[in-house]
Amino acid sequence: DQQVKQNSPSLSVQEGRISILNCDYTNSMFDYFLWYKKYPAEGPTFLISISSIKDKNEDGRFTVFLNKSAKHLSLHIVPSQPGDSAVYFCAAPSGGGADGLTFGKGTHLIIQP
Amino acid sequence: DADVTQTPRNRITKTGKRIMLECSQTKGHDRMYWYRQDPGLGLRLIYYSFDVKDINKGEISDGYSVSRQAQAKFSLSLESAIPNQTALYFCATSDARFYRGEQFFGPGTRLTVL
Repeated sequence: DQQVKQNSPSLSVQEGRISILNCDYTNSMFDYFLWYKKYPAEGPTFLISISSIKDKNEDGRFTVFLNKSAKHLSLHIVPSQPGDSAVYFCAAPSGGGADGLTFGKGTHLIIQP
Repeated sequence: DADVTQTPRNRITKTGKRIMLECSQTKGHDRMYWYRQDPGLGLRLIYYSFDVKDINKGEISDGYSVSRQAQAKFSLSLESAIPNQTALYFCATSDARFYRGEQFFGPGTRLTVL
């Protein structure tokens, strides 16, 4: 059973516009969420995180919004740039006494010139 | 130099062979992890270690074993490789001083089992 879901395998956005990547989760015990970015032939790199006590966290062009009642979070990238083309993973601590992260399947973001 | 390195970067092997993937880190972190990624799927946790000699199973540990002989090194072994272990393998580290701290990933090892 997927606890972290990213239902859009890919997303195409024009350069300069807003990119919105979505993530849903099922485990209400998750208290922290992270977004990772991955380029081909590289490992994932940390992008931004949010604690469940907040509903928004901003870092430059990247903002993550958390809606706990809907068990939904989204990553906004404004403005989108060509270098943002990558696979984005939503993740949450696995919990239940286990360390490590539970990842969504990822969304491939393509920024069109 | 990269903080988290993995060797080899690519490996092709045959069914039944024993394979070891190595991970080294210079970040001084005490926690280390092994994940695998399959096409179209997210990363799944295989094993993790909080410190030297500490080993914990993750979500998909069957068919794998690990060794943490030094703080900077965490190796993953496939005792008898099978084709469905063909995947991209990532090592990661984190600093236990930071609650819910981020994990830092290596570049990955692409393993193909024929």
